[in-house]
Amino acid sequence: AQSVSQHNHHVILSEAASLELGCNYSYGGTVNLFWYVQYPGQHLQLLLKYFSGDPLVKGIKGFEAEFIKSKFSFNLRKPSVQWSDTAEYFCAVMAYNTDQLIFGTGTRLQVFP
Amino acid sequence: DGGITQSPKYLFRKEGQNVTLSCEQNLNHDAMYWYRQDPGQGLRLIYYSQIVNDFQKGDIAEGYSVSREKKESFPLTVTSAQKNPTAFYLCASSKFQTSGNTIYFGEGSWLTVV
Repeated sequence: AQSVSQHNHHVILSEAASLELGCNYSYGGTVNLFWYVQYPGQHLQLLLKYFSGDPLVKGIKGFEAEFIKSKFSFNLRKPSVQWSDTAEYFCAVMAYNTDQLIFGTGTRLQVFP
Repeated sequence: DGGITQSPKYLFRKEGQNVTLSCEQNLNHDAMYWYRQDPGQGLRLIYYSQIVNDFQKGDIAEGYSVSREKKESFPLTVTSAQKNPTAFYLCASSKFQTSGNTIYFGEGSWLTVV
């Protein structure tokens, strides 16, 4: 069965600091990978996704993620965070040609001005 | 406007009562899903449906039931058998694509059982 691990449960940064949130998954086959963001009081929004091709994926609001197949990882990065990036971030994995999206437990990011 | 509509947004119920959460989408998406979100546990899949009149159990289906009589609608019933029903429930949908499926979420329903 697939599983997703997000090792950072709570991250606190100052504005302009760089961000990297870890995501590892367990599944031996082809996968589709996602990062979702949930801003306070809002619903889940898609930040970025990887289906195939270039393993470095760029998303909205300056976020990017890199798929490293050998490490079963899909870490999320942003060079310089802003206060408005305060949110909860979820990594998710879908085995190719299935419809089950499996989520990690989420990482709460707090950015202080 | 296109999207996924969940109702009600907030719901209070007494223990022992069944409650049904509504989910409607006008995106012409094929698949629909119900997730439960609890603090520190992320999102867990309750049920999903790929086509009308068919659905599959997710990881935590016990105490829940669903129906998919129309493509646009996927209501979730939280039954009295669900031991810990107080939670935030998220409905989602996706359209089949050869490149991969992207799942989009509704705004969620808060259920409190007292």
